[in-house]
Amino acid sequence: ELKVEQNPLFLSMQEGKNYTIYCNYSTTSDRLYWYRQDPGKSLESLFVLLSNGAVKQEGRLMASLDTKARLSTLHITAAVHDLSATYFCAVAGGGNKLTFGTGTQLKVEL
Amino acid sequence: DAGITQSPRYKITETGRQVTLMCHQTWSHSYMFWYRQDLGHGLRLIYYSAAADITDKGEVPDGYVVSRSKTENFPLTLESATRSQTSVYFCASSVPGPNTEAFFGQGTRLTVV
Repeated sequence: ELKVEQNPLFLSMQEGKNYTIYCNYSTTSDRLYWYRQDPGKSLESLFVLLSNGAVKQEGRLMASLDTKARLSTLHITAAVHDLSATYFCAVAGGGNKLTFGTGTQLKVEL
Repeated sequence: DAGITQSPRYKITETGRQVTLMCHQTWSHSYMFWYRQDLGHGLRLIYYSAAADITDKGEVPDGYVVSRSKTENFPLTLESATRSQTSVYFCASSVPGPNTEAFFGQGTRLTVV
């Protein structure tokens, strides 16, 4: 059974600071996703990571994947208030079924 | 409208009642999914469907029934609602293949009283 652990659960940080969210998973997978969710909203796709060593960047967010360690990271550079949201990683299994981490609620203080 | 839509957006129902959540997508995606979101659990898969008339259980299927007679629709029915089924429900769809992503509906907030 695929298990996905995400940490931290809560993250309060100041604007301008850097931080990393971690996502560990238990069995081999060929795809890992990062999503953003604003309060009361749906999930917005941020990144799809397909191979070992994959790195993708969009603005202040950078995601990476190490399939050997079964670890993905979402790095936030120089955080701004607009990044406040909940971030989920999700690992794909057969049939495109996703197993989600518990989410990281990020609050960036002005 | 193009995309994936869920209805209703909000629903309050009583314990023991049957309730159906609707999901409609316009892309003709073969895969469709139902997830529930609860604090501390992230999203968990309830049921999924690989094509019309093909459905299978996910991680938390108990108390739910699905059907998929048409590719574009994937309703989720709570046969006898319980308070533990109070949650936010998301429908999603995708195409098969490795370099694909799932697209999520807006969600249905269900409260069982």
